[in-house]
Amino acid sequence: QSALTQPASVSGSPGQSITISCTGTSSDVGGYNYVSWYQQHPGRVPKLMIYDVSNRPSGVSNRFSGSKSGNTASLTVSGLQAEDEADYYCSSYTSSSTYVFGTGTKVTVL
Amino acid sequence: EVQLVESGGGLVQPGGSLRLSCAASGFTFSSYAMSWVRQAPGKGLEWVSAISGSGGSTYYADSVKGRFTISRDNSRNTLYLQMNSLRAEDAALYFCAKRYCSGARCYSGADHWGQGTLVTVSS
Repeated sequence: QSALTQPASVSGSPGQSITISCTGTSSDVGGYNYVSWYQQHPGRVPKLMIYDVSNRPSGVSNRFSGSKSGNTASLTVSGLQAEDEADYYCSSYTSSSTYVFGTGTKVTVL
Repeated sequence: EVQLVESGGGLVQPGGSLRLSCAASGFTFSSYAMSWVRQAPGKGLEWVSAISGSGGSTYYADSVKGRFTISRDNSRNTLYLQMNSLRAEDAALYFCAKRYCSGARCYSGADHWGQGTLVTVSS
């Protein structure tokens, strides 16, 4: 159950788009369409942003979108805003009927 | 309004035990799978354990298997995590989280989280 691999940091200017990758294996990301993404601001609890690879819960901005290709899932944030500055984590269901989180990515809005 | 309130954290010596609780309200507790997720200070999220709505199915991360036991009391709307043989690396903020469901379907992801309870393991 190794953590999924995410870049440590990603940055962008307001209005730009950024993409965060989440790389796993065929036993987790690649094997199931059960990838979710969370946003966590400092001192706050995680917030579900994307579920089942590409779906947004109600109330989440459509600036957030998810996708997957092979063993890598991605979260794209379009029209970057100051409030998007936070830590982002992916999570995937695994072949062991467990879940695994990614290493986390710090997004900085320049 | 969905509320999840964890309790039971504290300071424990290595090798000791602790039982965490998560009191749930605002939803039909027995209808939802629940999870425990932890976060060491300044570190990332780590999935710990999950349990089905009925309590009949439980799942554990390799790092806690054999030492932690997840359970639930649906009559009390409460989720538990019994933690035995605690190690320094178990020190973290422990969150309980509710599985995301919409209508009759449930999905990957947890849509409500408690504020967490802090576990410190030190002699």
